[in-house]
Amino acid sequence: NAGVTQTPKFRILKIGQSMTLQCAQDMNHNYMYWYRQDPGMGLKLIYYSVGAGITDKGEVPNGYNVSRSTTEDFPLRLELAAPSQTSVYFCASTRQGRNGYTFGSGTRLTVV
Amino acid sequence: DAKTTQPPSMDCAEGRAANLPCNHSTISGNEYVYWYRQIHSQGPQYIIHGLKNNETNEMASLIITEDRKSSTLILPHATLRDTAVYYCIVSLDSGGGADGLTFGKGTHLIIQP
Repeated sequence: NAGVTQTPKFRILKIGQSMTLQCAQDMNHNYMYWYRQDPGMGLKLIYYSVGAGITDKGEVPNGYNVSRSTTEDFPLRLELAAPSQTSVYFCASTRQGRNGYTFGSGTRLTVV
Repeated sequence: DAKTTQPPSMDCAEGRAANLPCNHSTISGNEYVYWYRQIHSQGPQYIIHGLKNNETNEMASLIITEDRKSSTLILPHATLRDTAVYYCIVSLDSGGGADGLTFGKGTHLIIQP
């Protein structure tokens, strides 16, 4: 199994540009999450989804959007990139009642 | 979810047991204690979780005090590859939290050769 796959691994954006961070899991997990991690800090929850068609805001949702049209995919959209969105983004998934989250390897985003 | 308190950093000699403490004095009766670790630049990795009883798996042991106000993660024979940030998290959901886990700053464990 591939687990949780995130693409791209690295990206540099200019202020005002848009992009989509991709996240896919092949474990039939119903719960999926997007976190961001700034240097030296813990992870902060951006958005989460408990199933296809259902999404909800986390702690820091401003400037981001998500969709969950399938169980496998949970893309994160940045519409107007700002320097404050420079961070490492992690996608995670789990199944209700199972042990812990499975995380992807992250996307390093720099906005200049 | 209850808050947790961890020391910011710890050292341990290679081959020795690493004991990482966590205080969660406001934990409620149905909240689980989870441990994750994050090796530099990688995504966090689930280690172990427990409710009341001590737990052991192939990675570590989790000791929860009788009053559940604190716990200790034990890595029995630490190796250099165990150098990482270790996060102690409290969550209501047995699956890890449908509405997301809250990660603090964790403990940076450094294994010394």
